[in-house]
Amino acid sequence: GQQLNQSPQSMFIQEGEDVSMNCTSSSIFNTWLWYKQDPGEGPVLLIALYKAGELTSNGRLTAQFGITRKDSFLNISASIPSDVGIYFCAAGGKLIFGQGTELSVKP
Amino acid sequence: ETGVTQSPTHLIKTRGQQVTLRCSSQSGHNTVSWYQQALGQGPQFIFQYYREEENGRGNFPPRFSGLQFPNYSSELNVNALELDDSALYLCASSPFPSETQYFGPGTRLLVL
Repeated sequence: GQQLNQSPQSMFIQEGEDVSMNCTSSSIFNTWLWYKQDPGEGPVLLIALYKAGELTSNGRLTAQFGITRKDSFLNISASIPSDVGIYFCAAGGKLIFGQGTELSVKP
Repeated sequence: ETGVTQSPTHLIKTRGQQVTLRCSSQSGHNTVSWYQQALGQGPQFIFQYYREEENGRGNFPPRFSGLQFPNYSSELNVNALELDDSALYLCASSPFPSETQYFGPGTRLLVL
């Protein structure tokens, strides 16, 4: 079945560093989204991408919808402690999720 | 504008019992999707409801069923609970199918 391969699985970085994570699929999707989830909470939408090649920013976050429609990446610049959490890529109408990237930020 | 709400927040059941989870969609949204999230995993799509009709279903057995009401709120029912049904159940609403989905806080179900 369809699945998204998200990497890295976890990251442990210093405050102020930039972060990059990505998601790939063998299937083509028309929508890619990035969510952040804190423990015991529901996912919160960070960025939604609707067009191949689209590059979208939301504050310190930047995400791109791959030109092949089979991948996407998320960058976080100048990380801060509140960036800690699990980041999920998701794609499609009935969302398929990646396995998540757990981000830890050391002050 | 009220976001997606879910009830209850936590629930403990025993194997074989039945459970009903509830979701109120965000104002202006007529589509509700349900997801199951096991510990340490990404959410898995269960099914979607659009204008009170099921509009797509994931790889879940028939003992997972749902309803959507005229006010677009929704219920997820699970019969004959199994231990593996223990998970966070997430509801998401969107203005229309295939549009951006916004999630509620989830219901944590523990089956003993």
